Amino acid sequence: AQTVTQSQPEMSVQEAETVTLSCTYDTSESDYYLFWYKQPPSRQMILVIRQEAYKQQNATENRFSVNFQKAAKSFSLKISDSQLGDAAMYFCAYRGGGSNYKLTFGKGTLLTVNP
Amino acid sequence: NAGVTQTPKFQVLKTGQSMTLQCAQDMNHNSMYWYRQDPGMGLRLIYYSASEGTTDKGEVPNGYNVSRLNKREFSLRLESAAPSQTSVYFCASSDPATGRNSPLHFGNGTRLTVT
Repeated sequence: AQTVTQSQPEMSVQEAETVTLSCTYDTSESDYYLFWYKQPPSRQMILVIRQEAYKQQNATENRFSVNFQKAAKSFSLKISDSQLGDAAMYFCAYRGGGSNYKLTFGKGTLLTVNP
Repeated sequence: NAGVTQTPKFQVLKTGQSMTLQCAQDMNHNSMYWYRQDPGMGLRLIYYSASEGTTDKGEVPNGYNVSRLNKREFSLRLESAAPSQTSVYFCASSDPATGRNSPLHFGNGTRLTVT
């Protein structure tokens, strides 16, 4: 079974600074998809960014970008110009092949943004 | 557009009681999922339904049953609640027709406490 590891239970960043959240995964598949979700205190799960493994170019969404290293099975999230509203729990998730579209999640990283 | 609606938002049960968590989506998605979220554990898949009429076990199915009532609705039942089932429960849906990079859309969760 695939596993997703987020090695940083907690991280903090100063407002306007840049922070990188780590994610590694274990898989024997060559075709898969990776996601980052944000969960603010409201408990809502919000998609931040996604990456297809077959794409070499790293995905970007405004201030959010990923560093996808397929050989290293690493999928880190970079948040630039951090804002107070970025404070949340961040989850990395993996989707492999097969007929179901389930996601396997990491345990999460709690990001604090200091003013 | 409501998206994924879960009821109730909060519930307190005594050990041994039963209850059903309701979930409905109005996005015409084929696939639906139930996850539980526990501190330090991330989100773990309980059951999923790849399409109407099918259900399959996820990572932590013991103590739960599900029913895919129709394309819109996917319920989760606890037959005899145990304190270990104290958790936040999320329902989610996805549309495989849009591709394997389609995200999961989540409801706002149900916080269940079993005393």
